[in-house]
Amino acid sequence: AQSVTQLGSHVSVSEGALVLLRCNYSSSVPPYLFWYVQYPNQGLQLLLKYTTGATLVKGINGFEAEFKKSETSFHLTKPSAHMSDAAEYFCAVSTDRGSTLGRLYFGRGTQLTVWP
Amino acid sequence: ETGVTQSPTHLIKTRGQQVTLRCSSQSGHNTVSWYQQALGQGPQFIFQYYREEENGRGNFPPRFSGLQFPNYSSELNVNALELDDSALYLCASSSPGQGEGTEAFFGQGTRLTVV
Repeated sequence: AQSVTQLGSHVSVSEGALVLLRCNYSSSVPPYLFWYVQYPNQGLQLLLKYTTGATLVKGINGFEAEFKKSETSFHLTKPSAHMSDAAEYFCAVSTDRGSTLGRLYFGRGTQLTVWP
Repeated sequence: ETGVTQSPTHLIKTRGQQVTLRCSSQSGHNTVSWYQQALGQGPQFIFQYYREEENGRGNFPPRFSGLQFPNYSSELNVNALELDDSALYLCASSSPGQGEGTEAFFGQGTRLTVV
């Protein structure tokens, strides 16, 4: 079975500060890992994904995440927060192969607030 | 290239009624997945359709059903609505063969309120 735990339902940072959103996963097979962002009254937008290869993944809007197999973690970071980063962030795991592609298991989300 | 579109954006229904939500997949995508996102929760997988056949289902009762049409658009039907069905319903399209970790593209969702 697959599951995702996001530590901290709410994270607040000052503009310009480091953003760190935590994600731990459980998977019986090598996972594909994703971070999505959701703005109010919007759907989900992909920030970045890890499949295989390089464990440090760079995404859009200056975000990056590092896959650490030994820690079963995939934490999301951004060196300097911007007001426009305020949103809900979801970590997700997928282990499906073959025809059932794109089936995702999500964490409960982390609401990021950025103070001026 | 058009994205994933869902209709309606908002809907209010009475307990016990039936509802149909619609999704047009992104151009070239033949797989549609539906998710339920309750308030304060992450999206939960309902089911997926691939080439008009159900191709995987989450832990949802049979009163949640779906269809996929030859143009790969899809419908989600929910019968005998319950108050707990109030949620944001998200549709995501994807296409096998895009490589590992195929990306799912999400619509803006339909906000269903059951009263």
